[in-house]
Amino acid sequence: EAGVTQFPSHSVIEKGQTVTLRCDPISGHDNLYWYRRVMGKEIKFLLHFVKESKQDESGMPNNRFLAERTGGTYSTLKVQPAELEDSGVYFCASSQNQPYGYTFGSGTRLTVV
Amino acid sequence: RKEVEQDPGPFNVPEGATVAFNCTYSNSASQSFFWYRQDCRKEPKLLMSVYSSGNEDGRFTAQLNRASQYISLLIRDSKLSDSATYLCVVRGTGANNLFFGTGTRLTVIP
Repeated sequence: EAGVTQFPSHSVIEKGQTVTLRCDPISGHDNLYWYRRVMGKEIKFLLHFVKESKQDESGMPNNRFLAERTGGTYSTLKVQPAELEDSGVYFCASSQNQPYGYTFGSGTRLTVV
Repeated sequence: RKEVEQDPGPFNVPEGATVAFNCTYSNSASQSFFWYRQDCRKEPKLLMSVYSSGNEDGRFTAQLNRASQYISLLIRDSKLSDSATYLCVVRGTGANNLFFGTGTRLTVIP
């Protein structure tokens, strides 16, 4: 079984530019989550999709972040315009019915310069 | 106040040693508890769930004290391959999202 795939693995962009991160969950997993780890801090929840619907987006830091999951398959997380404090590792995770069945992707390391 | 507090370490122990990690959580209504392991520049991977009665998986023992809002992980007979960051993770009430501690770094020395 393929795991959770994230693309790109690394991205370096300039402040003010736009970046789009992609996550392909495990096939058949309805739940998809985005998390983020900023330097020196703990991993924090951003949002949760159930199929194509946003179940909880309470962790999204501001309106520069936009997540979509069209068709309930893969998801994208767009940051526009990027700021320096957006640098960090963005993890995607998926699960079927139970939250403790989370499988994380290997993350996208975003650096904003 | 953070949802989950952990001692960041680092813990440097010799092979064969026993090492214990602790964490506390702030929300008394939290439902589920886990230890995750994260290797350098890799994703977090579930090590074990933590139950009120305590549970063991080989050399790893996890315990939960709901009254004190305290979770522990004990690793016996440490191996070099146990070197990693151990993340204490809690799920709140009615929520599917997880709260992570900052992690405790363990290095097992030959």
